[in-house]
Amino acid sequence: EVQLVESGGGLVQPGGSLRLSCAASGFTFSYYEMNWVRQAPGKGLEWVSYISGSNTIYYADSVKGRFTISRDNAKNSLHLQMNSLRAEDTAIYYCAREYTSSSRGHYYYYMDVWGKGTTVTVSS
Amino acid sequence: DIQMTQSPSSLSASVGDRVTITCRASQSISTYLNWYQQKPGKAPKLLIYGASSLQSGVPSRFSGSGSGTDFTLTISSLQPEDFATYYCQQSYTIFTFGPGTKVDIK
Repeated sequence: EVQLVESGGGLVQPGGSLRLSCAASGFTFSYYEMNWVRQAPGKGLEWVSYISGSNTIYYADSVKGRFTISRDNAKNSLHLQMNSLRAEDTAIYYCAREYTSSSRGHYYYYMDVWGKGTTVTVSS
Repeated sequence: DIQMTQSPSSLSASVGDRVTITCRASQSISTYLNWYQQKPGKAPKLLIYGASSLQSGVPSRFSGSGSGTDFTLTISSLQPEDFATYYCQQSYTIFTFGPGTKVDIK
């Protein structure tokens, strides 16, 4: 079964750090791009970060310079190091597999497998 | 950056109704548009990719259309399990989600 399981969430004070992990199973992890997506309480979805199989990386402006995405293909794991945390970083953090599909002469990119999420609360 | 808007932000409908949700991009994104369904306390689920391609396992009552800047998600006959929040997402440059449309019971 294809599965993603996040861990590492918790309560942290403003300015603190936290490291999230996502364990992948049921598929060849190294073949896929991966993403982190977050959802603040009662709010919509916000894309956070992307990493390719060859470690091309992108970040949302809201986390650039504070968050670092990484992956360990040998351990089938994805990570998000979060530093200088702010109250507005409080959210459920999901890891999501990115799938590429060829159709009608285009390559389409979408998130086809999601974890259940891990909750990060930034509060004093 | 590409901004996404959705309308309406919420709607009330009955089982059996035809429901249409609109998504608009701030610039042309061709057909690089995906739709997700999210139920309370659950992770999002992919419904449609490439504006109109149905993800495997998704009921055929869901359909998508559009290109350029304007897109629609249609549920042809709303079922009880379809009450949820729906998000569009552009994948033309990285990813951006729309603000969501909540579909609840009339």
